[in-house]
Amino acid sequence: EVQLVESGGGLVQPGGSLRLSCAASGFTFSSYWMSWVRQAPGKGLEWVANIKQDGSEKYYVDSVKGRFTISRDNAKNSLYLQMNSLRAEDTAVYYCARYLPWSWFDPWGQGTLVTVSS
Amino acid sequence: QSALTQPASVSGSPGQSITISCTGTSSDVGGYNYVSWYQQHPGKAPKLMIYEVSNRPSGVPDRFSGSKSGNTASLTISGLQAEDEADYYCSSYTSSSTLVVFGGGTKLTVL
Repeated sequence: EVQLVESGGGLVQPGGSLRLSCAASGFTFSSYWMSWVRQAPGKGLEWVANIKQDGSEKYYVDSVKGRFTISRDNAKNSLYLQMNSLRAEDTAVYYCARYLPWSWFDPWGQGTLVTVSS
Repeated sequence: QSALTQPASVSGSPGQSITISCTGTSSDVGGYNYVSWYQQHPGKAPKLMIYEVSNRPSGVPDRFSGSKSGNTASLTISGLQAEDEADYYCSSYTSSSTLVVFGGGTKLTVL
């Protein structure tokens, strides 16, 4: 069974940092692009970042460029999102998802909640 | 404000059909056949229902279908069932720097 499990969310103060992780299983992780998508409380979905199979290409939504870094470790079947200079508007559930450019996100993990507040 | 426009809510009775629209521009929906649809039940992760405008992943009932005309994509659910009640989001590739855009979501209520 293809499975994605996020971790690392929590409460952080504005300006702080957090690192999210996503553990993948049930498929050849190194063969797929991966993505992070977020959802603010009561709001819609927003794509955050994509990373190519070997990490050689990375793309970000404008609002996180320079603050967030997506990375992966194919040996550990893991995806990461390093989030720095966090703002209140970054508060959201963060989902990792397997990605087929530019076609689909499937499946999605269960999500991890990031709350930026003083 | 989302890049793609969806109605906030739609409703239908069991057995009926409903259609959810997703309107974009020639830079996204209208320019590429990379429209996908996701179903999200409360407190759950989104689930892929349609990809590349009209393709269904294995396991998705054939009651779900997708189409596109110009800058507007549509998701149609026929033979509505109670378990179809959920939020639905469209997504598209975009030639802008954003690369991927989502609609604001549509809440489907099965009466």
